[in-house]
Amino acid sequence: DSGVTQTPKHLITATGQRVTLRCSPRSGDLSVYWYQQSLDQGLQFLIQYYNGEERAKGNILERFSAQQFPDLHSELNLSSLELGDSALYFCASSVAPRYEQYFGPGTRLTVT
Amino acid sequence: AQTVTQSQPEMSVQEAETVTLSCTYDTSESNYYLFWYKQPPSRQMILVIRQEAYKQQNATENRFSVNFQKAAKSFSLKISDSQLGDTAMYFCAFMRGLTQGGSEKLVFGKGTKLTVNP
Repeated sequence: DSGVTQTPKHLITATGQRVTLRCSPRSGDLSVYWYQQSLDQGLQFLIQYYNGEERAKGNILERFSAQQFPDLHSELNLSSLELGDSALYFCASSVAPRYEQYFGPGTRLTVT
Repeated sequence: AQTVTQSQPEMSVQEAETVTLSCTYDTSESNYYLFWYKQPPSRQMILVIRQEAYKQQNATENRFSVNFQKAAKSFSLKISDSQLGDTAMYFCAFMRGLTQGGSEKLVFGKGTKLTVNP
């Protein structure tokens, strides 16, 4: 158990819908990262937050957004879902940038 | 942009034997970090080992050790005394060390699927 929690574990939804994935970092960790794992793209970085502020963006679609709250938990919002958004979404946290990242168990999103 | 290449899509090893997984990377930076992550069938991503580029000494964690060749941009993982529980996908990952104007994101290779046979 890494100490990073993600909810829900599984999510099945229809095209065009909107979902919210939630992540709670390890106690004391200020940095949160979101990654997407799909069969064709592999593991891709989406977005990074540090202490409530957005720090970097990766290959994140405009239909996706995220935020980190004052209690340091983070949410990833995915809207206008398409079949290709089906993937495993990981949240990771680290005590600070450039430290080891510890991953949550992931949220399996299936878009039908 | 940094890239990470794992040239062995699949490997297998007998229990108690030693196996080495290969990883090469491409970067123009001199300060960076390298990692190996393990993803068992449960899909959890588990940190196995970390190496700082400025350290000449190779990192070790119990049965796991790395061979870091900075000039060759090579970062292989050696698993000694392989156990059935080592069966998993193994991902090599790169993180840049400089933070100005950049991100501490992990750049992953495509992974190597390792099967440990009894």
